[in-house]
Amino acid sequence: QVQLQESGPGLVKPSETLSLTCTVSGGSISSYYWSWIRQPPGKGLEWIGYIYYSGSTNYNPSLKSRVTISVDTSKNQFSLKLSSVTAADTAVYYCARHFPRYGPLGYWGQGTLVTVSS
Amino acid sequence: QSVLTQPPSVSAAPGQKVTISCSGSSSNIGNNYVSWYQQLPGTAPKLLIYDNNKRPSGIPDRFSGSKSGTSATLGITGLQTGDEADYYCGTWDSSLSGVFGGGTKLTVL
Repeated sequence: QVQLQESGPGLVKPSETLSLTCTVSGGSISSYYWSWIRQPPGKGLEWIGYIYYSGSTNYNPSLKSRVTISVDTSKNQFSLKLSSVTAADTAVYYCARHFPRYGPLGYWGQGTLVTVSS
Repeated sequence: QSVLTQPPSVSAAPGQKVTISCSGSSSNIGNNYVSWYQQLPGTAPKLLIYDNNKRPSGIPDRFSGSKSGTSATLGITGLQTGDEADYYCGTWDSSLSGVFGGGTKLTVL
């Protein structure tokens, strides 16, 4: 059974860069698409972007200028960097797998809360 | 403001049926498959319905999905207290971005 686990700092200061990693176990990161999604406290889901195992990416236009998603196939991991964060970026961040490219998000990590505060 | 529109809340009694609507446009629902996700309190979303009306393995047939034009509907029959959750519709749009509805909170009275 494929499992995804997010990891990274739970507290980030305003204007700094949020960095998270998603580790995939129980299956290979190859041949699938991998997304980041976030959910501010008490609010709905927002798709951040995806990466294919080959490295091709696509980002939410509203976040594109601040987002970078990368993949490390040797470690079966992919990562999210979100720069110049503000309190509005406080959210639970989820990683998820989908296939085909524009298919359903079939596997999700448990999520990790990132708070932006000084 | 979410791209897809869902009612904020619905409610029904145990054993009854409920439907949740999801409205979009020709740039998203109208030209792509719709998925539905169930988010139980304090947990990650879980895929409930994909490709408009298909159920992943392990999802009971009490859950169903349909799509017509630029709208989709999730149906749940034989409501149980364990179905109390937030339900989200999701799809992809013409900018190749993922989009979600604002979520619907289901209360089983």
